[in-house]
Amino acid sequence: AQKVTQAQTEISVVEKEDVTLDCVYETRDTTYYLFWYKQPPSGELVFLIRRNSFDEQNEISGRYSWNFQKSTSSFNFTITASQVVDSAVYFCALSEASRDDKIIFGKGTRLHILP
Amino acid sequence: KAGVTQTPRYLIKTRGQQVTLSCSPISGHRSVSWYQQTPGQGLQFLFEYFSETQRNKGNFPGRFSGRQFSNSRSEMNVSTLELGDSALYLCASSLGPTGDQEAFFGQGTRLTVV
Repeated sequence: AQKVTQAQTEISVVEKEDVTLDCVYETRDTTYYLFWYKQPPSGELVFLIRRNSFDEQNEISGRYSWNFQKSTSSFNFTITASQVVDSAVYFCALSEASRDDKIIFGKGTRLHILP
Repeated sequence: KAGVTQTPRYLIKTRGQQVTLSCSPISGHRSVSWYQQTPGQGLQFLFEYFSETQRNKGNFPGRFSGRQFSNSRSEMNVSTLELGDSALYLCASSLGPTGDQEAFFGQGTRLTVV
């Protein structure tokens, strides 16, 4: 079974619009970690956020915000007032304590911000 | 401080050959993980090393192997290359075992098997 589902394969929005990237995960562990990474065209993955399963508090960092809801097993990522530089592939990931914290990535969402 | 360095950046090999990729983690980081990224399968975990010991391993055949040296540098080796091994291979380093640590990624080695 797929552990991390990013249903949106590709999204295009016009600059300055808000956009939300969805992430649904599946785990039986009570202790787990969720991540978001950004992969720009240069290839390297850039860490955005880590959230542990005991902390459902939403987080805001500048134009980025994350909504973690255990009830729906979702960890969605919103970019407010998008910019062209936000264009990239975004990956949601999960690691489970029972699996030695091996990180499992979703398939990614390719985000195009149009000028 | 210097980031994660992967060498070489690009590599072309022939089917049946073997290849060794190198990863130098950030100074002070003791954990190195390897991932394979392909358009079809996405990002898949290969293995993780921490303090020279393999901590866990993904679902890849035995042709894929790795090791970590005492200075935390890591190498991965793929023997008897197949066309399907063409991919971007990414290395990540972290202070401790990944999962609850921020991982820093290198720019990857793009391997093409012909």
